[in-house]
Amino acid sequence: EPEVTQTPSHQVTQMGQEVILRCVPISNHLYFYWYRQILGQKVEFLVSFYNNEISEKSEIFDDQFSVERPDGSNFTLKIRSTKLEDSAMYFCASSRQGVGNQPQHFGDGTRLSIL
Amino acid sequence: SQKIEQNSEALNIQEGKTATLTCNYTNYSPAYLQWYRQDPGRGPVFLLLIRENEKEKRKERLKVTFDTTLKQSLFHITASQPADSATYLCALDHNAGNNRKLIWGLGTSLAVNP
Repeated sequence: EPEVTQTPSHQVTQMGQEVILRCVPISNHLYFYWYRQILGQKVEFLVSFYNNEISEKSEIFDDQFSVERPDGSNFTLKIRSTKLEDSAMYFCASSRQGVGNQPQHFGDGTRLSIL
Repeated sequence: SQKIEQNSEALNIQEGKTATLTCNYTNYSPAYLQWYRQDPGRGPVFLLLIRENEKEKRKERLKVTFDTTLKQSLFHITASQPADSATYLCALDHNAGNNRKLIWGLGTSLAVNP
């Protein structure tokens, strides 16, 4: 069964550095998402992406964050200048369509640790 | 304010019993509600989706109900097995302008004891 893959599985970065988290969504899916989950807390929506542009973003997704689909398969999340509070699991997901009646398929996440 | 709440206490049950997990929400009017399973260190895995005009949905040992009057969904696992031990998340779709997104509960941890 096709799956969403994320790399790296664990990223350790100094505060203030830039990080890029990478995702390969399921190939025939059109909608892509990034979520984060701080340890012990809820899954939080960051951003959704469709047709090469952001369709929705949360208040967490400020100017330090950006997303890109640089080619036909990858979907990346960049954090420009990391802060300690960016430490979390970051999950990428994709769905065939963007409405709530479609299941979202998640990768196993990147654990981001900011020192 | 808008809230989505799941049983905060971990649920411990004996193998073979039925587990019932609750998802309550306020100040949302979701057209769909989804349930996911999450194992430690893994991403959520989709289980079931129920629409606002459906009262109940089943899939093998799983059953979901959706009461839009009570603003509640119940998730049942019958004949539970130790392999069902995981955190179960509910997520409802939220229409924000022209776009929809999923809003997530904190999840309920289920432990099925052999």
